[in-house]
Amino acid sequence: NAGVTQTPKFQVLKTGQSMTLQCAQDMNHNSMYWYRQDPGMGLRLIYYSASEGTTDKGEVPNGYNVSRLNKREFSLRLESAAPSQTSVYFCASSGPLRLAKNIQYFGAGTRLSVL
Amino acid sequence: GENVEQHPSTLSVQEGDSAVIKCTYSDSASNYFPWYKQELGKRPQLIIDIRSNVGEKKDQRIAVTLNKTAKHFSLHITETQPEDSAVYFCAASKRGTYKYIFGTGTRLKVLA
Repeated sequence: NAGVTQTPKFQVLKTGQSMTLQCAQDMNHNSMYWYRQDPGMGLRLIYYSASEGTTDKGEVPNGYNVSRLNKREFSLRLESAAPSQTSVYFCASSGPLRLAKNIQYFGAGTRLSVL
Repeated sequence: GENVEQHPSTLSVQEGDSAVIKCTYSDSASNYFPWYKQELGKRPQLIIDIRSNVGEKKDQRIAVTLNKTAKHFSLHITETQPEDSAVYFCAASKRGTYKYIFGTGTRLKVLA
């Protein structure tokens, strides 16, 4: 039981290049999320998928696209990377709401540098 | 819009002392408040949480208190140890939604 798995762990891109960050969870969770973490800014939600087949924008969606490929997988795509997208990206997942709880479990993160 | 403010941004305490981190939320519909700990280079991990129908919750050396009227909640760590050194994030989640709004984090340093 691996939990939430992200690939790659590290990536360096040149401005204008594209790439896809992969995320998979094996906890049979309905909801999945992509965050970015920057110094002093905390964790900011980029996109989320409440359930298979749906995606919604978070706080900072510009410059990103997402695909909920199936219940297990949720990918984040940078079509034309910019230096402002240099960050650590975390994927998370959560199960159904129970007693108002919505515990999110995080992957190990992807450290992305855009030169 | 929804906002969670977290203070202080950094906190240094002597080993054995207590640490308190405070968060204020803006949306009165928020009803679930988790706290995450993130060690250097690692993923955030849930350490304690509280629902809006509870005023206080304790788990060994950590506790969380919630004041719904004032819309703030706090993390209390007693008898701090060097392994408590990390960044702590508070978050708020609204009834019927899946999203968290995170605070900006508190870097806690426990000095031996």
